Amino acid sequence: GENVEQHPSTLSVQEGDSAVIKCTYSDSASNYFPWYKQELGKGPQLIIDIRSNVGEKKDQRIAVTLNKTAKHFSLHITETQPEDSAVYFCAASDMEYGNKLVFGAGTILRVKS
Amino acid sequence: DAGITQSPRHKVTETGTPVTLRCHQTENHRYMYWYRQDPGHGLRLIHYSYGVKDTDKGEVSDGYSVSRSKTEDFLLTLESATSSQTSVYFCAISGTGPTGSPLHFGNGTRLTVT
Repeated sequence: GENVEQHPSTLSVQEGDSAVIKCTYSDSASNYFPWYKQELGKGPQLIIDIRSNVGEKKDQRIAVTLNKTAKHFSLHITETQPEDSAVYFCAASDMEYGNKLVFGAGTILRVKS
Repeated sequence: DAGITQSPRHKVTETGTPVTLRCHQTENHRYMYWYRQDPGHGLRLIHYSYGVKDTDKGEVSDGYSVSRSKTEDFLLTLESATSSQTSVYFCAISGTGPTGSPLHFGNGTRLTVT
């Protein structure tokens, strides 16, 4: 089955700097790669996703890149702000029988002001 | 929260007792999922449903059962709770379409088994 690895497990950046979180996956059948942000006491919230027919996607300060050949994808946050502090999860799915996501272990992002 | 309500939000129970967690959605989505979240493991799929009375196992299904008698409700049952089932449980929903649809999560149920 699919295995998703995520690095780093914790990341501290200064406000205004960029943050990059990387994930690798094992199943070449995976074709959907979302990123979730989780704040304390809440469920994960989808922040951006990318499908396998696209190499990069941007939404304001957030971007995701996908390298299908190498089986890795990354989340880039520019101009970080204190409210970006949270736990971030990457995930992968082959979109068969719904959307059974396999998640990475998560990255705790701390933005220092 | 995409119209998802989980109940209860917190529960403490003793080893060996049965526990049922409820997920209720107002989005009329076809697919529903139960995940558990543990430190160092991210979220892991327990069971999912692709329609009324249609369910299947996920990655960590041992010790859990599910039922879906109505589109809007998906129940997760621990027949005899164990300490290893202490976790935060999340329900998620997704719709259908040519390329599927994203998962949206509820706010979770924190379960402690003593």
